[in-house]
This record gives sequence, C-alpha cells and structure tokens, in this order.
Amino acid sequence: GQNIDQPTEMTATEGAIVQINCTYQTSGFNGLFWYQQHAGEAPTFLSYNVLDGLEEKGRFSSFLSRSKGYSYLLLKELQMKDSASYLCAVLDSNYQLIWGAGTKLIIKP
Amino acid sequence: DAGVTQSPTHLIKTRGQQVTLRCSPKSGHDTVSWYQQALGQGPQFIFQYYEEEERQRGNFPDRFSGHQFPNYSSELNVNALLLGDSALYLCASSLLRDREGTEAFFGQGTRLTVV
Repeated sequence: GQNIDQPTEMTATEGAIVQINCTYQTSGFNGLFWYQQHAGEAPTFLSYNVLDGLEEKGRFSSFLSRSKGYSYLLLKELQMKDSASYLCAVLDSNYQLIWGAGTKLIIKP
Repeated sequence: DAGVTQSPTHLIKTRGQQVTLRCSPKSGHDTVSWYQQALGQGPQFIFQYYEEEERQRGNFPDRFSGHQFPNYSSELNVNALLLGDSALYLCASSLLRDREGTEAFFGQGTRLTVV
C-alpha cells in the first residue's frame, strides 16, 4: 500500500527554527509537495521537490532524498502566523496526489 | 484572476439525502480533482476529471459521483448520505498536460455536515 508518515504535532518558539519530517512509500514518484493549511481553510502551496537536494524559498526550505523516501520542511525565524498544519503529499506513478495526515505546528511566544 | 471557487461554503444535510457540490477551476486549468478531508486528517482523493471524463478514482463508493462541464467546472454528487460523510470537501484545479511540478490550487472547500 501507499503510505506517508509525518509527526502529528510539533511545538516551537517564535523566532526559532523547526524541521518537519516526512517519509513515504508510494507506487512510483513524480515529486513531493508541501502545503500549509490554517484551521478551516484550504491548503496553500509551499514547495515542490522532484530531484534530490535542498530547495530554498525565503524562510522556508524543503529537502528531498528519493533513495531514502524522505523529505523535510525547514521553517526559519518562526512567526506566530506560521501556526498551522503542514501537509506532505507525493505525486505517484499515476500523477495522483497521496497525502500525509499533516503535522500541526504550534508556535509559542 | 479568480482562483478556484467552490459553492456552497457550508451545508447541512440529513442522513439519506443527496448533495451536489460545485467547483470552478482557476482560469486556464483543465483538470479538477476532488478530495474529502476529515477533521485532523489529510485530504483523501475522491476522483479527478479531465476533458469531461473521470480520469482517476480513489477508494470511494459509487455513492460518490461527479461531472465536468465543457467550461471545466465540476460537480461532486453524493447520494444516500451517511453521518461519516461529514467532512471538508476540497476541489483542486491543475493543468494535466503540465504534469511535472504541477501545483494544485485549492478552493476554500465546502464544509458538509450530515445530521
């Protein structure tokens, strides 16, 4: 079966750095997405990785290792507005998005 | 440029009833995917429409059906509603022909409550 694992919840301090991990086992791989979802709202796109390595975009970076079936999202200089759920999703061989359950990130002052 | 729009935003239905949810994709997009998201869970893929046909389907019963119109808008129909169908229903649009790196844009969702 297809499976994506993320921690259920993480807590971090405003101004700090946090790393959210994602491991996956899917039938094929055509890229990995990270989405941010605030409570009661739709997911919004953060990043896309299809090759190994680190992609940096402002305060957010995403890393991929295809051989290990592993990705992480790195958030720097945390702000209170970063409190949200972060969803990892893999595009499988049928170009269907397979989603993790999401990691709820709580930012404390 | 309007993004993905869904209607209605909230809906309350009685068990056994039928419901229709609507989605207009982002301008220029030709593919619409529907997802069901239960509270505290990630989205679960229901099906995807392209060129007015169901292209892929997730593990959902036949009570869930859909349609795509020539203008690429789409409907999700759910028959014989169960309490367990209560969820946020998300519509996402994308470009099928631009598969690599295709970013799915989501609508704000329809919150369906079955009582």
